[in-house]
Amino acid sequence: SYELTQPPSVSVSPGQTARITCSGDALPNQYAYWYQQKPGQAPVLVISKDSERPSGIPERFSGSSAGTTVTLIISGVQAEDEADYYCQSPDSNSNGRVFGGGTKLTVL
Amino acid sequence: EVQLVESGGGLVQPGGSLRLSCAVSGFTFNYYWMSWVRQAPGKGLEWVANIKKDGSERNYVDSVKGRFTISRDNAKNSVFLQMNSLRAEDTAVYYCVRDAGWFDPWGQGTLVTVAS
Repeated sequence: SYELTQPPSVSVSPGQTARITCSGDALPNQYAYWYQQKPGQAPVLVISKDSERPSGIPERFSGSSAGTTVTLIISGVQAEDEADYYCQSPDSNSNGRVFGGGTKLTVL
Repeated sequence: EVQLVESGGGLVQPGGSLRLSCAVSGFTFNYYWMSWVRQAPGKGLEWVANIKKDGSERNYVDSVKGRFTISRDNAKNSVFLQMNSLRAEDTAVYYCVRDAGWFDPWGQGTLVTVAS
């Protein structure tokens, strides 16, 4: 079955730029989406269609795509950005959906 | 305001059954696919199943095929997940989500615990 691969953890200091990657063979042909999840809360969509920022999401959140890897970029990281981040994409072989394993962002 | 409200979770013994419901408001329900996504305690998100706008197509993650059934009632703006032959590994918070290829918004989830 189709898989998306994320690093388990990323650490950055406040004010720095965090980059979280997500790799998948079908990503050149499928959009990727990013979700932020804080403890005890439901996930929130922060990036749509590789690089679009939904309404209400701070400008410091952006996304990029290159080949089989998409990247969530958080510029000027703030303490409140500490959370788990998940990438997601449609399954390349069906109308199912797939999540990456998630990345815990720690703000030092 | 878009709202998705899940219900039906609880404690069930291994091998038992449970039916989750999700009541939707704030958008035209029959314009969208709907999905269920789950999260086991301390684990990541896992897509479980989705259903097409008119109910004519359903997809499932391999681990629940043959045990879970997703359905919808467009007249009542509701989506359901019938879960049979439940296992300990099905223990999770189950989220109802609007599915446009991506998931937004999310409900608050309902906890399903499978234990004896």
